[in-house]
Amino acid sequence: GENVGLHLPTLSVQEGDNSIINCAYSNSASDYFIWYKQESGKGPQFIIDIRSNMDKRQGQRVTVLLNKTVKHLSLQIAATQPGDSAVYFCAENVGRGSTLGRLYFGRGTQLTVWP
Amino acid sequence: EADIYQTPRYLVIGTGKKITLECSQTMGHDKMYWYQQDPGMELHLIHYSYGVNSTEKGDLSSESTVSRIRTEHFPLTLESARPSHTSQYLCASTGGWSTDTQYFGPGTRLTVL
Repeated sequence: GENVGLHLPTLSVQEGDNSIINCAYSNSASDYFIWYKQESGKGPQFIIDIRSNMDKRQGQRVTVLLNKTVKHLSLQIAATQPGDSAVYFCAENVGRGSTLGRLYFGRGTQLTVWP
Repeated sequence: EADIYQTPRYLVIGTGKKITLECSQTMGHDKMYWYQQDPGMELHLIHYSYGVNSTEKGDLSSESTVSRIRTEHFPLTLESARPSHTSQYLCASTGGWSTDTQYFGPGTRLTVL
């Protein structure tokens, strides 16, 4: 499979601080990236996505940055809340449209928010 | 919230039993997927489907089988469960040519004794 991984397996932040979760990918042909949040005992939940023709995309309290030069993806969470505690996965897509559009997932980062 | 459902949510069975994990989606998505995930680990694709009557094996070798007789339904079957099959099984779907976002069900936590 593709090499999609995260730099840190765990991240602890204080409530109200900003969080940054990083991801590296190896396939320069990847053209679509997704961040998922997975809470304990649940399936992954879509957070935000970005296509390769963009380098930044913002959502509600979240921002995804894409640096294609160094094949790096990051997720920034503003004003982190206890409800943000979960495992975060990045996924990349190689092939879309007429192909299946396979997603390759990294190992995940456990984000813990403490008061 | 995605309309994709999995049953059962939890299953504990003995070795040698045949089981079927159910997955259904009401979004009319063509593409469906099964992933296997051990606690805290990454997702591994074990099966996928382009549409009705289409099934393919994924990256991770699995002794399970799948079928796709209806668009909305993508069940996974283990003919003879073993302790090594203990894991979480996640079903996902995606639809349309312009989106690759996969929407996940809640998962089935399988324990084989």
